[in-house]
Amino acid sequence: QQQVKQSPQSLIVQKGGISIINCAYENTAFDYFPWYQQFPGKGPALLIAIRPDVSEKKEGRFTISFNKSAKQFSLHIMDSQPGDSATYFCAASMSYGNKLVFGAGTILRVKS
Amino acid sequence: ETGVTQSPTHLIKTRGQQVTLRCSSQSGHNTVSWYQQALGQGPQFIFQYYREEENGRGNFPPRFSGLQFPNYSSELNVNALELDDSALYLCASSFRLAAGTDTQYFGPGTRLTVL
Repeated sequence: QQQVKQSPQSLIVQKGGISIINCAYENTAFDYFPWYQQFPGKGPALLIAIRPDVSEKKEGRFTISFNKSAKQFSLHIMDSQPGDSATYFCAASMSYGNKLVFGAGTILRVKS
Repeated sequence: ETGVTQSPTHLIKTRGQQVTLRCSSQSGHNTVSWYQQALGQGPQFIFQYYREEENGRGNFPPRFSGLQFPNYSSELNVNALELDDSALYLCASSFRLAAGTDTQYFGPGTRLTVL
């Protein structure tokens, strides 16, 4: 019940395209859902986060869509750029930042 | 404002040895969490420290232990190293609010290799 399932495992998108990564969770006590971006040799960096009282949050080219009834949330990267090539992790936690439970990650490659 | 720093960057140990990893939290943060990230996987929560006490622990054996100091910096100690302990160890700092903690900011990690 503590798992967060992430898909796809890897993704190749053309420059300018839309990248979509999906996550699903079981624990309905989760109330904070961040996405992290990680480049090789670096620690994860917070990209965008959402709480279940809203269904969508947009920051620049990045949008989180949240479906509470389906227990799913997704990351959309609009106008994907080669610099977006990285590993993306979804995560979930209870009470805003305690014990993050991470998905397995999605390796995104944006082809120029 | 300085970010989260970790030392050392890389470390090579042999099976059975002990290791200490260090983390300096971001300025203004009072909570430190440690994660283990095996190659090709997502980070796994080890434990969290708040006010120098352990505040939650993941599914890791007691040979994984930690400390938090009055300046909110932290150490992760691993005894009796096993080959499977080879991983990237990440420290994340945050500021604990009344309703929980704020966003966790990660350091660059320490790459531990156990031979």
